Amino acid sequence: AQKITQTQPGMFVQEKEAVTLDCTYDTSDQSYGLFWYKQPSSGEMIFLIYQGSYDEQNATEGRYSLNFQKARKSANLVISASQLGDSAMYFCAMRGSSGGSNYKLTFGKGTLLTVNP
Amino acid sequence: NAGVTQTPKFQVLKTGQSMTLQCAQDMNHNSMYWYRQDPGMGLRLIYYSASEGTTDKGEVPNGYNVSRLNKREFSLRLESAAPSQTSVYFCASRQGSMNTEAFFGQGTRLTVV
Repeated sequence: AQKITQTQPGMFVQEKEAVTLDCTYDTSDQSYGLFWYKQPSSGEMIFLIYQGSYDEQNATEGRYSLNFQKARKSANLVISASQLGDSAMYFCAMRGSSGGSNYKLTFGKGTLLTVNP
Repeated sequence: NAGVTQTPKFQVLKTGQSMTLQCAQDMNHNSMYWYRQDPGMGLRLIYYSASEGTTDKGEVPNGYNVSRLNKREFSLRLESAAPSQTSVYFCASRQGSMNTEAFFGQGTRLTVV
C-alpha cells in the first residue's frame, strides 16, 4: 500500500524568501512517481512538478524544485523567492507501479502555505 | 480546450436522495478518477477507471457507484445520500504512463442536509 505523509498542516513564509514543504512517502514498489499540486483558494488543482524514482537529478520547474532523497523516502518541495500568489494548499502525491497502484494517485493531507508581505 | 468538465458545480441534496455527478474529458486519456476532499483529509480516492471498461475501488468507495460510460465519460452516483457525503468532489484524468500528471475538473461542492 502507498502512503503519503505531509507533517506540516500550515507554513508561513515572508515574501521573496524560500520555503520547503515536507513530504515523506511509503511504498514497496521499486518504480514510482511523485507529484506536487497547488490548490489556491479558488479550488482548482494545479500540477507543479514531477519526480520519477529513477530520475538521477532533482526535478526543477521555474521557482519550484524537488529535493528528492530516495533513501529517506522524502520528496520535499522547495519554492524559491516566494510570492503572494504562492499562498495556497500544496499536496504531495504518488503513483506506484505494481498492480492497482500502477494507476492510483495517492495524496497527502496537504500543507497550507501563507506568504506574508 | 476544455480539459476535464464536471457537472454540476454545486448541489444540495436531502438525506436519502440520489444523484449522479458527471465528468467528461476531451484529452483522450485512458484513466479517470473520482476523489473527495474534506478539510484536513486531503484528497481521498473513491473509485478509478484504469481504462475504458474497467472500474476499481479506491480508499473510500462505500455509498458510491461509478460508470465508465465510454473513454470520455466517468460518472459517480450516490444512491442514497447521507450527510457524511457532504464534500467537494473532484474528477481527474491522466494518460496512464508513469510520469504523466492528472488533470482535474473544477470540483463539485455537494451538501447533504
